[in-house]
Parts: sequence; C-alpha cells; structure tokens
Amino acid sequence: DAGVTQSPTHLIKTRGQHVTLRCSPISGHKSVSWYQQVLGQGPQFIFQYYEKEERGRGNFPDRFSARQFPNYSSELNVNALLLGDSALYLCASSPDRATNEKLFFGSGTQLSVL
Amino acid sequence: QKEVEQDPGPLSVPEGAIVSLNCTYSNSAFQYFMWYRQYSRKGPELLMYTYSSGNKEDGRFTAQVDKSSKYISLFIRDSQPSDSATYLCARVSVGSSASKIIFGSGTRLSIRP
Repeated sequence: DAGVTQSPTHLIKTRGQHVTLRCSPISGHKSVSWYQQVLGQGPQFIFQYYEKEERGRGNFPDRFSARQFPNYSSELNVNALLLGDSALYLCASSPDRATNEKLFFGSGTQLSVL
Repeated sequence: QKEVEQDPGPLSVPEGAIVSLNCTYSNSAFQYFMWYRQYSRKGPELLMYTYSSGNKEDGRFTAQVDKSSKYISLFIRDSQPSDSATYLCARVSVGSSASKIIFGSGTRLSIRP
C-alpha cells in the first residue's frame, strides 16, 4: 500500500507569492494533519482536518489555510509568503481524528522562499 | 519555557553502544508520549508510544516515562549505523476538537561504524 504522498517535493517561491501544497493520505485514513518543520526544530502543528471539516488549528496566521476533499486528500495554501515560511511542510494521516499512535507522515514538501 | 525540551546534540557513539536520549516536559496534564525517528529528507516515523509511567520495550528500543520528574527517555541497545537519525520526543495535546502532537526540537544521533 502507498504511504502518505505529498507534492511537490521541492518548491522555490519569492516573497509575496502564494503556494499550494498537496497531500494524499493512506487509503482508508480520514484524518489529515499539516505540520511545519523549520530547520533544526521539531514539527509544529498547523491544521487537522477530519471528514472534510477543520478540527484543530495551531498558532499560525490567517495567511495559512487548508481544505480536505471528498476523497480525503488535502491542500495547504499559504498566501503572501514571507522568508520565515521557508520550511519542510509535512502532511500526516490517521484512520480517525484521535488515533495518534497510527499517525503516518509523508516525506514533506521543502519550501524555500527567496 | 518550551513544552517539550530536548538536547539538540549532535550525539556521536560507536556501533554497539547503548544510547540514551532524554526529554523533559513542562505540563503534567497530558499523558501520551511518543518517540519519532526522522531520517534526512524524510518525514518522522513513530518508534514508541506510551501513556503511562515505567518502561515499554520493543526490540532494541526501550521508552521510559517518569511522570514525577517529567522526564522521558529512549534507550537504544546494540546501536547500529542505520540508527543514525534525528530522534524527536513528543506528547499529545488533546484539545476540545482535535488532537495535536507537540514535538521537541530533536536530537541528532550518529553511530560510528
């Protein structure tokens, strides 16, 4: 079975631009979470979606938004990019909203903002 | 004060040594603790998951939680070069409508052949 897949793997943008990152969860998983990992730090929670609804939001500005589609895939959107948005963006899926011991991460999208 | 604190390392040990990785946490309200392993340019991979004090063993890995001192440890026996990675301790913060994982900053481990 395929794991969590994310696209693109790498992305270079300039300040002020907009970016869309995509995630396909493991088949059968209904919950998708997004994390931001800055170099040298642990991942930081951005959003959780379950059954197409936002179930949790971390301490990120409104420039960050996400959505989940009927097939449970998800998009993370970031507007008005700042240099500080450069990071590895990780998507994780789990069977339901609270089964953290079955949370699986993708390999991430490395975003560089110049 | 960060909610989960780790020594960033790097930590370098010879192959076959016992490795001890440690974390402290600041909030006693949360009870679920995890250790993740992250290889370079990969996402974190869950190694151990525990919700109680004491030890939990899985092969060469042992997780230990001491809630009285708010201390979390991961021991790796008979360390291998393939264990070279960043190790992240984490705990679950259960909010009103979602669970989110709070990670430490990670400890970089290198096993010398």
